[in-house]
Amino acid sequence: QKEVEQNSGPLSVPEGAIASLNCTYSDRGSQSFFWYRQYSGKSPELIMFIYSNGDKEDGRFTAQLNKASQYVSLLIRDSQPSDSATYLCAVPSGTYKYIFGTGTRLKVLA
Amino acid sequence: DAGITQSPRHKVTETGTPVTLRCHQTENHRYMYWYRQDPGHGLRLIHYSYGVKDTDKGEVSDGYSVSRSKTEDFLLTLESATSSQTSVYFCAISRELTEAFFGQGTRLTVV
Repeated sequence: QKEVEQNSGPLSVPEGAIASLNCTYSDRGSQSFFWYRQYSGKSPELIMFIYSNGDKEDGRFTAQLNKASQYVSLLIRDSQPSDSATYLCAVPSGTYKYIFGTGTRLKVLA
Repeated sequence: DAGITQSPRHKVTETGTPVTLRCHQTENHRYMYWYRQDPGHGLRLIHYSYGVKDTDKGEVSDGYSVSRSKTEDFLLTLESATSSQTSVYFCAISRELTEAFFGQGTRLTVV
């Protein structure tokens, strides 16, 4: 069974700090990785995707991929209370579907 | 925003009754998915479709069936609802196993 693992948290960081969220995956053949943000009571919203090793930056968000170690990270710089949500990591599995981690709950303290 | 509409948004039903949830998309995406989300379990795939009339089971398909008679609609049916199927159900679409986009969700309560 291919797996995607995330620490459930909550991860608490003070406002303005860097939040670091991690995801490990079991399938060495995985080529693409997605980060979703889900506010309480809402649907998951795509915020980042990354296909190649290294870093990808988009505003305050940076995705980091290390295929050799099989982990992908999401860094949120200058964390805001509005970033408080659950962050889900997703990896395509096979030809047609995705595997989601159970998510990490982030709390940004004002 | 991706054009995905789930209906109904909320439903309360009695044990043993059939229930159908609808997912409608206006993006002409090939892939459609039904997930359920429960505390402690994250998103679990129920069924998915990779084209009209092409569907397959996910990890928690028992007690559910699906149909896709046209590209834009993917129906999820609970054949005989049970309390264990009380959950939030999300539909998602994807063009070619790239980014997936989610509908607003349906909160289903089986009493």
